[in-house]
Amino acid sequence: KQEVTQIPAALSVPEGENLVLNCSFTDSAIYNLQWFRQDPGKGLTSLLLIQSSQREQTSGRLNASLDKSSGRSTLYIAASQPGDSATYLCAPLGFNKFYFGSGTKLNVKP
Amino acid sequence: DTGVSQDPRHKITKRGQNVTFRCDPISEHNRLYWYRQTLGQGPEFLTYFQNEAQLEKSRLLSDRFSAERPKGSFSTLEIQRTEQGDSAMYLCASSLETGLGYSNQPQHFGDGTRLSIL
Repeated sequence: KQEVTQIPAALSVPEGENLVLNCSFTDSAIYNLQWFRQDPGKGLTSLLLIQSSQREQTSGRLNASLDKSSGRSTLYIAASQPGDSATYLCAPLGFNKFYFGSGTKLNVKP
Repeated sequence: DTGVSQDPRHKITKRGQNVTFRCDPISEHNRLYWYRQTLGQGPEFLTYFQNEAQLEKSRLLSDRFSAERPKGSFSTLEIQRTEQGDSAMYLCASSLETGLGYSNQPQHFGDGTRLSIL
């Protein structure tokens, strides 16, 4: 079974800081890794999808990297804003394997 | 693109009752997933469909759980003889996939059905 760990579990930063969220996984036989955000009481919103052959993917202030062989991914958020406050989850997805981490709860203070 | 729609948003029922949830995926999406999420945890995979075929079921999906997608469009998830441990958020997601067995496209989630067992 794929074990997915996200560190830290919670993070509180002042507005404007750059920050890094970490995701590690035990089974490197994945097709891709997806990062999601989840607001309280809501479903997940897809942020970035990195194919297993890619090293990184960027969207606006977000940059995600993937090191499949070592079982690690990072999500970098530049110039954080209060609207970024949410829980961020990673999901390393394999063949018929759809596992998610427990997330990092981010609070960006104005 | 009206998004993934789930109904009802909240369901409160007594232990032992049967409940059914509905998911309407994004219209052109051929893949539909069901997940269960408890407080402070990530979603746990339950099952998925490609068109009307149910291709994978988790061991979490006991014989009290059944899911259908009869015409390859909307899906229903039924829980029979509900137990306290079934209390959770049930999430549905959809995507447009070209392959079988893996997800190569972003999954789009609904806002879930929150089930509370009294």
